[in-house]
Amino acid sequence: DAGVIQSPRHEVTEMGQEVTLRCKPISGHNSLFWYRQTMMRGLELLIYFNNNVPIDDSGMPEDRFSAKMPNASFSTLKIQPSEPRDSAVYFCASSDPGQGARSSYNEQFFGPGTRLTVL
Amino acid sequence: SQQGEEDPQALSIQEGENATMNCSYKTSINNLQWYRQNSGRGLVHLILIRSNEREKHSGRLRVTLDTSKKSSSLLITASRAADTASYFCATFAANAGGTSYGKLTFGQGTILTVHP
Repeated sequence: DAGVIQSPRHEVTEMGQEVTLRCKPISGHNSLFWYRQTMMRGLELLIYFNNNVPIDDSGMPEDRFSAKMPNASFSTLKIQPSEPRDSAVYFCASSDPGQGARSSYNEQFFGPGTRLTVL
Repeated sequence: SQQGEEDPQALSIQEGENATMNCSYKTSINNLQWYRQNSGRGLVHLILIRSNEREKHSGRLRVTLDTSKKSSSLLITASRAADTASYFCATFAANAGGTSYGKLTFGQGTILTVHP
């Protein structure tokens, strides 16, 4: 398996522009997570989906951020309009909650991240 | 302070020495996980310990969990320069309603530097 795939790997944009980050989870995983990492705030969970349904979006900073998961193999995180304070590394991760004995596992597999710079 | 706080924030040791990192948390958990992040890369899962377990081993890694103190420790024995990375503990709590899925809450991490 190729692991979690994110694109683009690097994005440089100007304030006010729309930014779309993309993620392909590991096949068969039905939970997907979007994180943001900065030096100041560490690793923050923005939103997570289970079976393509948003479960918890309490970490989404404000209305400028939106996330979708139209199918089991694709998710997007959109920022519109972008601001310099959005500059960070954005990670996507996926997991398989499993059934029965494995239902308490939930280890997550992370993508390589997208480094976003908003000028 | 937030769930999953690591201590120390930074640790510098010589190759061959053991490295111990601690993690404290506040709420009930289903399991606690440790992750490693090399500079500029994504996090990689190292080891998971469930709430009913007290100790677990994986290669040179040993993790303990004390649910009464809400704390965990990660020990890396015989460290190598390649172990240089940031290490994060993360607590997992299943979503309400008896579901099997949920979210991880990560701490700020410990930066480990192993000198050759």
